[in-house]
Amino acid sequence: GAGVSQSPSNKVTEKGKDVELRCDPISGHTALYWYRQSLGQGLEFLIYFQGNSAPDKSGLPSDRFSAERTGGSVSTLTIQRTQQEDSAVYLCASSPEMGADTQYFGPGTRLTVL
Amino acid sequence: AQSVAQPEDQVNVAEGNPLTVKCTYSVSGNPYLFWYVQYPNRGLQFLLKYITGDNLVKGSYGFEAEFNKSQTSFHLKKPSALVSDSALYFCAVRDKEPKSTFGDGTTLTVKP
Repeated sequence: GAGVSQSPSNKVTEKGKDVELRCDPISGHTALYWYRQSLGQGLEFLIYFQGNSAPDKSGLPSDRFSAERTGGSVSTLTIQRTQQEDSAVYLCASSPEMGADTQYFGPGTRLTVL
Repeated sequence: AQSVAQPEDQVNVAEGNPLTVKCTYSVSGNPYLFWYVQYPNRGLQFLLKYITGDNLVKGSYGFEAEFNKSQTSFHLKKPSALVSDSALYFCAVRDKEPKSTFGDGTTLTVKP
C-alpha cells in the first residue's frame, strides 16, 4: 500500500520568501506529526495533529511556522519569511492513532534557504 | 519531561561481529521505546518497539533490543552485523503524552 508521501522532495528558496510543504499521510491514519532534521542533528518535534482535536503546536520554533490539516488527511507546513537557519529536512509521519503506535515516516522535504 | 540520550555519535564494527547501539532515556511514567533506522537518502523506518511484556524485543532485519528498567536503557543489538546495516539509528521515547522525543542519532558503520 501507499506510504506517507511528501512534496516537494527538494525546495530551494531565497531568504524572506514563504514556503509550503505538503504531507499526505497513510489513508486511515488519524495522527500526523511534523519533525525537522537539521544537518548532524536529531529529530526536532514541531507539531502533531490527532483527528479533529486542536493540534499540539508546542514544538514550533517561531510564529513564522504554522501548519494545517484539512479534512483530517493532508497537512501543509508553512514557513513565512524564511531564514537560513530554517534549512533542514522536514519529515512528516503518521500513525493509526496517537498511542503507542509506530510512526510511519515520509521521505522528507529538503529545504534550502539561500 | 522526557529525554533520550544516544551517547555515541558513531559506532564502527566489522562485518560478522556483534553490534550494540546504546540508548538511555528519562520519562515520568511508563516508557514506550522505539528504534528507527535511516538509510542514506531515505526516510526513517521502524525497527522495533517496547510497550510492555518481555524485556527482550525482536524486530526487523535481525535486530533486537533489551529494555532495562533499572538502568533506564534500551540498547539496540544484533548478533552478527552486515555491511548493509550501515545507517543512522534513532532511539525514541514517549510516556502517556503522544509526543515522542528522539535521540540525536548514532551512525553505524559496518566494515567488510
